[in-house]
Amino acid sequence: AQKITQTQPGMFVQEKEAVTLDCTYDTSDQSYGLFWYKQPSSGEMIFLIYQGSYDEQNATEGRYSLNFQKARKSANLVISASQLGDSAMYFCAMGGVDKLIFGTGTRLQVFP
Amino acid sequence: DTGVSQDPRHKITKRGQNVTFRCDPISEHNRLYWYRQTLGQGPEFLTYFQNEAQLEKSRLLSDRFSAERPKGSFSTLEIQRTEQGDSAMYLCASSWGGDGTDTQYFGPGTRLTVL
Repeated sequence: AQKITQTQPGMFVQEKEAVTLDCTYDTSDQSYGLFWYKQPSSGEMIFLIYQGSYDEQNATEGRYSLNFQKARKSANLVISASQLGDSAMYFCAMGGVDKLIFGTGTRLQVFP
Repeated sequence: DTGVSQDPRHKITKRGQNVTFRCDPISEHNRLYWYRQTLGQGPEFLTYFQNEAQLEKSRLLSDRFSAERPKGSFSTLEIQRTEQGDSAMYLCASSWGGDGTDTQYFGPGTRLTVL
């Protein structure tokens, strides 16, 4: 069975600093995707970044990068130059065609 | 580019009543998903459609739940004889299999409260 583990219930970071949100996964599949979503207090899940299991380079999207370590089964999200608007819940997810399996999330709070 | 939309955004109902939610996916997306999210948890998969075919259902989807996507466009999720345990956020997502990533884009959700 697939499983996502996010061990940080909450994280604090000062504005303009970088922060890493941890994610480990477990699967017996050879082909899978890893995703990060942001969920503000409004409730909508906003897609941030994707990493394919066969991708050799770490994915980047603007201020977001995914530190993919396949042997360790980890897919940590790095947010550079944090902004106040980054305060939200962040979910790591894994999936293929049929469904996504989500972790329990990390609440990130950015302070001035 | 219109995103995924859901209606209603909020629903308050009494235990035992039936409720129906609607989801309109991104127009070119052929896959549509329903998830449920309770407080403090990540979303949990309920079911998914490819075009009009319902291809997978979670064991979370009890007999009181039914989902349809009659013409391969919008979808409805109905809950019959609601229970207080059904109170949750119901999220719809859609994806286009042709981009190679199957990235799912979510709607704003329907928050259900069962009194």
